[in-house]
This record gives sequence, structure tokens and C-alpha cells, in this order.
Amino acid sequence: NAGVTQTPKFQVLKTGQSMTLQCAQDMNHNSMYWYRQDPGMGLRLIYYSASEGTTDKGEVPNGYNVSRLNKREFSLRLESAAPSQTSVYFCASRLGTGDNSPLHFGNGTRLTVT
Amino acid sequence: KNQVEQSPQSLIILEGKNCTLQCNYTVSPFSNLRWYKQDTGRGPVSLTIMTFSENTKSNGRYTATLDADTKQSSLHITASQLSDSASYICVKTRGAGSYQLTFGKGTKLSVIP
Repeated sequence: NAGVTQTPKFQVLKTGQSMTLQCAQDMNHNSMYWYRQDPGMGLRLIYYSASEGTTDKGEVPNGYNVSRLNKREFSLRLESAAPSQTSVYFCASRLGTGDNSPLHFGNGTRLTVT
Repeated sequence: KNQVEQSPQSLIILEGKNCTLQCNYTVSPFSNLRWYKQDTGRGPVSLTIMTFSENTKSNGRYTATLDADTKQSSLHITASQLSDSASYICVKTRGAGSYQLTFGKGTKLSVIP
């Protein structure tokens, strides 16, 4: 049972380059999320998708775009990477719409922008 | 300002000892409070959830408590093992049904032999 799978695991970009982080879940969850984790800070929500076909901004959406391709897949795109986007990115999913169901996280993508 | 504060920031204990991690929150109104464990290089995994009506909940060697009056939660680990070395993150929902969660910065626990 794979759970939440993220690719790639590591990536180094130059300032101005673009890339797409991929995320897929096999648990038939409705909602999916993208977070970033920076040293000394709590996880912060970038974008989320409450259900297939919908996406909404979180706390720190600037510089990112997302696509909910289908129920399984939720991708995060950096159009023009900046050093401030150096971070660890986590994709997560959960079954329900509230907090009664836990988030299931992938193992992260470690992104460095030089 | 982060409305979920955790202490201590880091903690080192000997294998077999007990420890308690603290979480203070100011997010209102009350909804669920959840503890996650994050191993190095991995994503967080849910340990337990506390609801308004619960004061204590155990999950094996982990026991979470909640005091809604003082807005404090704690996670007590009994008879620590090397595999307990991880960051422990307290997470609060911002409101009933909200997708927005407030994450604490975590407590990094190191269990040494």
C-alpha cells in the first residue's frame, strides 16, 4: 500500500527555472494539500484541493500554481523559481472534509534554488 | 504569529526514561487538536487526536492530555525507545470543518542509549 507518493525526492534548480512537483495517492481520498516546511517554522499550507476539480489558496500561495489532475493526482508548479522557495515540500491527503480524519503525508521533495 | 506554541524546542533523554512534550494554543474556537510524529527525512504521521470532550487518550506508550480551559495539551512518552527519536508536532484546526490547520514548530526528541 503506497499511500502518498511524491516525485522527485530531491531537486536543485537555478533561479528562474521552472519545475513541477508530482503527488499521487492511492487511498481514494477526497482532499489533497501542498505544504512547505522550513527550519524553525511550522508546516505552511500553499494550496489545497477539497475535491476533484477544485483548488484553493492557502497561506503562502505566491509563486506557485497547482493542478488537480484527477482524484489521485495533485501537482505543484513553480513557474520561476526563487531562492526563497528553497524548502521541503510535502503533499498530503485525507478522506474527510474536516479534521476528523488525519492527514497522510508523502515523504517530501527537498528543493534547493541557487 | 504562530498560534500553536510547543516546548521544549528540543530534548535529549536516555533510553527507557519518560518525557512530556507541551503544546499551548490560542486558536479559537475549539476544534480538534492532533499530534503527529515526524521521523527524519519522512512526512509526519498522526499519533492521536484530542476532541473537546476528551481529557486523556493513549496510543501504546504515547499518552496525550488536553485541558481546554487552559488551552494546553501534552504528549507523554513512557519507557522511551531509540525509535522515538523524531520531531513531534502539535496541530490545531482553525475552526470546525476548516481546511486550515495551524502547525506548531515541533519538539525534536533525541533518545540516546
